Amino acid sequence: DTEVTQTPKHLVMGMTNKKSLKCEQHMGHRAMYWYKQKAKKPPELMFVYSYEKLSINESVPSRFSPECPNSSLLNLHLHALQPEDSALYLCASSLEGSPELFFGEGSRLTVL
Amino acid sequence: GQSLEQPSEVTAVEGAIVQINCTYQTSGFYGLSWYQQHDGGAPTFLSYNALDGLEETGRFSSFLSRSDSYGYLLLQELQMKDSASYFCAHSNQAGTALIFGKGTTLSVSS
Repeated sequence: DTEVTQTPKHLVMGMTNKKSLKCEQHMGHRAMYWYKQKAKKPPELMFVYSYEKLSINESVPSRFSPECPNSSLLNLHLHALQPEDSALYLCASSLEGSPELFFGEGSRLTVL
Repeated sequence: GQSLEQPSEVTAVEGAIVQINCTYQTSGFYGLSWYQQHDGGAPTFLSYNALDGLEETGRFSSFLSRSDSYGYLLLQELQMKDSASYFCAHSNQAGTALIFGKGTTLSVSS
């Protein structure tokens, strides 16, 4: 299984809502990542987890809250988002120390 | 700071050869990766160079010159399905998260 599965594929939420994005992999990867991608732009790093511990937070606003419940799962909790947060949110995983990231298809988020 | 510069667009015809350049500035460097992303799809890994020289993987090759802070992706025998965005990326710490260049949109026509 070389897949990273993200749910939901699409999400529409209001600025007062609370929602979560989920990511799952069963490749035994101990590094997991959240990236944000706007249209026609590169993926922009948000968070990195290494062995279920948060190792990098790229100065992401606190309205985004990551969680890594176990080595296979990664969540991104969303609260009080702004319309400019609308984007494709990509989850990725890799072997520790490897430059080969496996990306999921992403969750396309629209904030109204 | 860190930056990776790539051309924004490249066009070519089927069967041709295309080279996408990437120059970088970074405080630490652990190698250069290349990713492909089709419209609406996920980025997929193509190649990685940790050392100077050429890495070949089928129709795709990647080159790195650390002394010149420069690399390129070479795509041979272009096919229509190669139309996509191509990103160079690097990490400034060994094996940790990748920072992506702005990307190059490749359009292949018949």
